[in-house]
Amino acid sequence: EAQVTQNPRYLITVTGKKLTVTCSQNMNHEYMSWYRQDPGLGLRQIYYSMNVEVTDKGDVPEGYKVSRKEKRNFPLILESPSPNQTSLYFCASSLSVTGMGGYTFGSGTRLTVV
Amino acid sequence: AQKVTQAQTEISVVEKEDVTLDCVYETRDTTYYLFWYKQPPSGELVFLIRRNSFDEQNEISGRYSWNFQKSTSSFNFTITASQVVDSAVYFCALSEGSSGGYQKVTFGTGTKLQVIP
Repeated sequence: EAQVTQNPRYLITVTGKKLTVTCSQNMNHEYMSWYRQDPGLGLRQIYYSMNVEVTDKGDVPEGYKVSRKEKRNFPLILESPSPNQTSLYFCASSLSVTGMGGYTFGSGTRLTVV
Repeated sequence: AQKVTQAQTEISVVEKEDVTLDCVYETRDTTYYLFWYKQPPSGELVFLIRRNSFDEQNEISGRYSWNFQKSTSSFNFTITASQVVDSAVYFCALSEGSSGGYQKVTFGTGTKLQVIP
């Protein structure tokens, strides 16, 4: 089944403890990106990647890192999480950088930083 | 900078009524792409439509239709004969940056639609 898989689905962590949220797609998609969803703010893009080793900042990149060493994987790294990074995170992928066929989203990761 | 405005925060309609969700966008690019997504109470994001800036034809898919007007920078979404299953948050999104080879995506803040039986 074609899908974007995020792990974990739920995570509670403490301030300052490094964490990684994994994202993997099995559709050979070029484009991948990360979003956070907060009440009243919609989805905001954190980082995106047009292909392996090509990444760029979205609208809210502060406090996050990403890497794209393989086409299928696009992990989101929080080096030193803070409570303001408590949010619902979505990974997405698409066939092309122009979103051909739409962006396929993962199921989301609900992160709580205490 | 690109921007997407969904001015309607919440809408309630009675089942079988028609409803239009508004989306207004801002961009400096001549090439861009517009999207609509549905987020039902279960939380997943479901792709509904993608439209490029050179195609202003309206589109109909079953009870769903989309009206794209470049003159007013709008990409509105109409649900005809609404059903309870249409209850969800709907997001409009804009992707631009093809000239620079990058592709940022901006989402609106969403419109929560409640269809009352």
